[in-house]
Amino acid sequence: DAGVIQSPRHEVTEMGQEVTLRCKPISGHNSLFWYRQTMMRGLELLIYFNNNVPIDDSGMPEDRFSAKMPNASFSTLKIQPSEPRDSAVYFCASSLSGHTDTQYFGPGTRLTVL
Amino acid sequence: EDQVTQSPEALRLQEGESSSLNCSYTVSGLRGLFWYRQDPGKGPEFLFTLYSAGEEKEKERLKATLTKKESFLHITAPKPEDSATYLCAVQAASSYKLIFGSGTRLLVRP
Repeated sequence: DAGVIQSPRHEVTEMGQEVTLRCKPISGHNSLFWYRQTMMRGLELLIYFNNNVPIDDSGMPEDRFSAKMPNASFSTLKIQPSEPRDSAVYFCASSLSGHTDTQYFGPGTRLTVL
Repeated sequence: EDQVTQSPEALRLQEGESSSLNCSYTVSGLRGLFWYRQDPGKGPEFLFTLYSAGEEKEKERLKATLTKKESFLHITAPKPEDSATYLCAVQAASSYKLIFGSGTRLLVRP
């Protein structure tokens, strides 16, 4: 079975540019999570979707960050405009149900903003 | 505030030298405690979920245990391929959030 798929795996961009990260959750999972991992802060939840609906976006650091889930098999995380402090690894995870099931992580997107 | 603390930050072992990693937690009603393994450049890989004090789970050379305040990940006769960062996370009752610790970086030398 395919796991969580993320693209691109690496992204290098210049400050001020728009960045879009993509995620395909495991088929049949109805909960999707976006995390950010940095050396200083570890893994932090940015936003949680259940049945394609954003339930909690309190972890989104600023209005520059936005996320969408137009259907059960696709989600995007967008940063506009990007800043050097956004450099991190961004993970997408999915679970059968947000409350009761294990979260399975994708391989991540390493973002570098110059 | 829900919190997870892992120790040690880093651990070096010789192949075959057994040891334990610690995960101390405070949470308002524990639904589950999760252990993940993360290799460099990869996403966290699920290992175990523990739900109640006294529960134990095993997988190959790994054994996870849980008390009301902490969890241990015991590694028996480790091999170099066990080298990775091991992450602990807790989920509070009726919550979807995983609160992660900072991880323990394990290096097993041949």
